[in-house]
Amino acid sequence: DVKVTQSSRYLVKRTGEKVFLECVQDMDHENMFWYRQDPGLGLRLIYFSYDVKMKEKGDIPEGYSVSREKKERFSLILESASTNQTSMYLCASSLEIGGRGYTFGSGTRLTVV
Amino acid sequence: AQSVTQPDIHITVSEGASLELRCNYSYGATPYLFWYVQSPGQGLQLLLKYFSGDTLVQGIKGFEAEFKRSQSSFNLRKPSVHWSDAAEYFCAVGPRGQAGTALIFGKGTTLSVSS
Repeated sequence: DVKVTQSSRYLVKRTGEKVFLECVQDMDHENMFWYRQDPGLGLRLIYFSYDVKMKEKGDIPEGYSVSREKKERFSLILESASTNQTSMYLCASSLEIGGRGYTFGSGTRLTVV
Repeated sequence: AQSVTQPDIHITVSEGASLELRCNYSYGATPYLFWYVQSPGQGLQLLLKYFSGDTLVQGIKGFEAEFKRSQSSFNLRKPSVHWSDAAEYFCAVGPRGQAGTALIFGKGTTLSVSS
């Protein structure tokens, strides 16, 4: 089975800190995604990447950036963390951008204080 | 605009009773359709998917879903709910092939199971 690993399950960071969320997949998938999940809002796409060093903005990219230096790793960066970025962050990978389904990691619950 | 609507935010079902979770979508062409389940504190797990062919698709854990093109719906069903089915359920749609946007998710339906 495809495995998507998010390095941290829980993180607590201070306002203004630069935060890195790491995601690694082991099945040579071309596409990787970062979603943010908030109660009542569902999953909202932050960024996705369809190839190494390629990225596309999703619906809510403000305050975030991403890095994909290697195919298996996709990092989400909060340049200057703010309390409104407290959320559950979900990483996923897939063979196709939209089809065939995604495999999700277990999520990182980030709290910014 | 492309969107997915799950009209029910929260549903409570008695254990052993049947379940139907609704999903409607707005999309330019017939998309790929998915249902995911999320247990508390976990990531999302794929329950089932529709690409083409038979409009009734079977998934894991005894779930099934029916695609109705005329109604732009993809409702999830289970004949007899178990307590372990309590979770949040997400419907999602996506384009066929590599081009286009990422999956679009509904806002989710929380299922509670009463004994």
